[in-house]
Amino acid sequence: AQSVSQHNHHVILSEAASLELGCNYSYGGTVNLFWYVQYPGQHLQLLLKYFSGDPLVKGIKGFEAEFIKSKFSFNLRKPSVQWSDTAEYFCAVITAGNNRKLIWGLGTSLAVNP
Amino acid sequence: DAGITQSPRHKVTETGTPVTLRCHQTENHRYMYWYRQDPGHGLRLIHYSYGVKDTDKGEVSDGYSVSRSKTEDFLLTLESATSSQTSVYFCAISAGGPRQETQYFGPGTRLLVL
Repeated sequence: AQSVSQHNHHVILSEAASLELGCNYSYGGTVNLFWYVQYPGQHLQLLLKYFSGDPLVKGIKGFEAEFIKSKFSFNLRKPSVQWSDTAEYFCAVITAGNNRKLIWGLGTSLAVNP
Repeated sequence: DAGITQSPRHKVTETGTPVTLRCHQTENHRYMYWYRQDPGHGLRLIHYSYGVKDTDKGEVSDGYSVSRSKTEDFLLTLESATSSQTSVYFCAISAGGPRQETQYFGPGTRLLVL
């Protein structure tokens, strides 16, 4: 079955630390990849997305993600986190022929200490 | 965010009562989705719609029904609410052309079933 794995369930960092959140998916065909962020008490917002082309994708708020097809990965990175990045981060995938249905990871909770 | 509103935003109800949640969009998107979000489970798809009167089940559809009589409205009904349906419910739309679909989310409805 198609699935998305986010390896880090809870991450705690200090401000200015670098961030990398892992995301792996299981599907051998064409995929579209997404990272969403959910700030406390809010809805999900799109951070960035990958459809094709340059595998290094830049999103909002200084986030970026790299698609590595050979590793089935789409890890999220930020060079220097801020307290305001405290949130839950979700990786999601749409696979070809899946009728626009997203396959979701379970999320990673990030806490940034000031 | 893609002109999506949800109503009510908060609801407390009793076990056994019917509940209807409304999702309204203003941008004429064809695809709409209902998710529930629970700790430890991430987002799970309840039902989705690919057009007026065209709906299909998601992974957790038991106990839920949907209707879409107009493009702009997608209703989620809990016929007889149970405590296990206490959750946060998010509506989403899918925007973008073929192979570039992106989901955008509404603000959510917090439902407590006593």
